[in-house]
Amino acid sequence: DIQMTQSPSSLSASVGDRVTITCRASQSISSYLNWYQHKPGRAPKILISAASSLQSGVPSRFSGSGSGTDFTLTISSLQPEDFATYYCQQSYSTPYTFGQGTKLEIK
Amino acid sequence: EVQLLESGGGLELPGGSLRLSCAASGFTFSSYAMSWVRQAPGKGLEWVSSISAGGGNTYYADSVKGRFTISRDISKNTLFLQMNSLRADDTAVYYCAKSSGSAAAGTGDWFDPWGQGTLVTVSS
Repeated sequence: DIQMTQSPSSLSASVGDRVTITCRASQSISSYLNWYQHKPGRAPKILISAASSLQSGVPSRFSGSGSGTDFTLTISSLQPEDFATYYCQQSYSTPYTFGQGTKLEIK
Repeated sequence: EVQLLESGGGLELPGGSLRLSCAASGFTFSSYAMSWVRQAPGKGLEWVSSISAGGGNTYYADSVKGRFTISRDISKNTLFLQMNSLRADDTAVYYCAKSSGSAAAGTGDWFDPWGQGTLVTVSS
């Protein structure tokens, strides 16, 4: 199975900050990497697919990059509604696997 | 608007069975693969199972293989997860999710959207 490792596991930041979350795969997954946002009690939401494709309706302050084994999710200017847990997920092969999550909290 | 509504969760004894349902609307159900993903209390997301658009291909996580069965009723736009031989570590919120493609667990696919989830608790 492909292991996905996110860092950091948690992060405190302020509104307006630029934030970067990294995701590393245990083997090359090309660009088959997706990012989700999850708020408590809500359905997870797709943000970015194929490493860097911003999904429809997702604010442009979110961006993704990377290929192979190393990927990043960047939020250029944090907004209050961005405080949530973020997960990466590989769809290169089954079993699909997720990172352990990065909890983004208000400083 | 695409909507997914899970039901069927609840409290079950270890060794028991539950059947989850996911009612889909707002899209051509027969054209997309569907999946179940779960989140145990205080833990991250875990893929459980996927089924192809036509229902002919299925995949399972090793943790549920042989105990869970995914299926779909295209005439009723409904996805199911039959959960047998339940264990305490199956306790989780179970989400159904629509795949971006038609193949079960296809390369390059993503989950969009997800349902609100249904809680399954396995405890004596």
